[in-house]
Amino acid sequence: KAGVTQTPRYLIKTRGQQVTLSCSPISGHRSVSWYQQTPGQGLQFLFEYFSETQRNKGNFPGRFSGRQFSNSRSEMNVSTLELGDSALYLCASSSGGGAGANVLTFGAGSRLTVL
Amino acid sequence: DQQVKQNSPSLSVQEGRISILNCDYTNSMFDYFLWYKKYPAEGPTFLISISSIKDKNEDGRFTVFLNKSAKHLSLHIVPSQPGDSAVYFCAARNTGNQFYFGTGTSLTVIP
Repeated sequence: KAGVTQTPRYLIKTRGQQVTLSCSPISGHRSVSWYQQTPGQGLQFLFEYFSETQRNKGNFPGRFSGRQFSNSRSEMNVSTLELGDSALYLCASSSGGGAGANVLTFGAGSRLTVL
Repeated sequence: DQQVKQNSPSLSVQEGRISILNCDYTNSMFDYFLWYKKYPAEGPTFLISISSIKDKNEDGRFTVFLNKSAKHLSLHIVPSQPGDSAVYFCAARNTGNQFYFGTGTSLTVIP
């Protein structure tokens, strides 16, 4: 069973630009979540999509947006990049069910550097 | 508002000894708790979990303890091995399937 695939793995952008990151979940998983990891801040929740609908949203500005396609693949977009957006962006998929051992499986992440 | 807290950024343990990683949470409505392990340049990998209706779950060298009255979670690794050196994140899930993560504890197991 293929794991969660994130592309690109590394990218460098300059302030003011925008970026799109992609995530392909494990086959059969309908939930995709996005997290931002920065030193000392742990994993900060961005949003979760389930069956093409945003189900949960974290406390990030509107510059951060996402979407999910009918095949469960997801993209997140960051517009008007700031230096503070430099981080590791992690995507995680799960079955999305509310009961039982619903575990997040993470991809390797996309390392974004904003200059 | 950090609902899940790991107050120890780092921990060093001798090989063969016990590693104890701690985690505190504030929301009594969390129904599931998990531990993840992360190596550099990789995504976190699931290690062990526990339902809020239990107080202990064991999987080989790893045991998770839950104290609901204290809102405290701990991970015990016995015996610790050098390959266990990584960053460990605790996480809690609410009934809306939203997961909250701590800031991580970097474990170093000294050979």
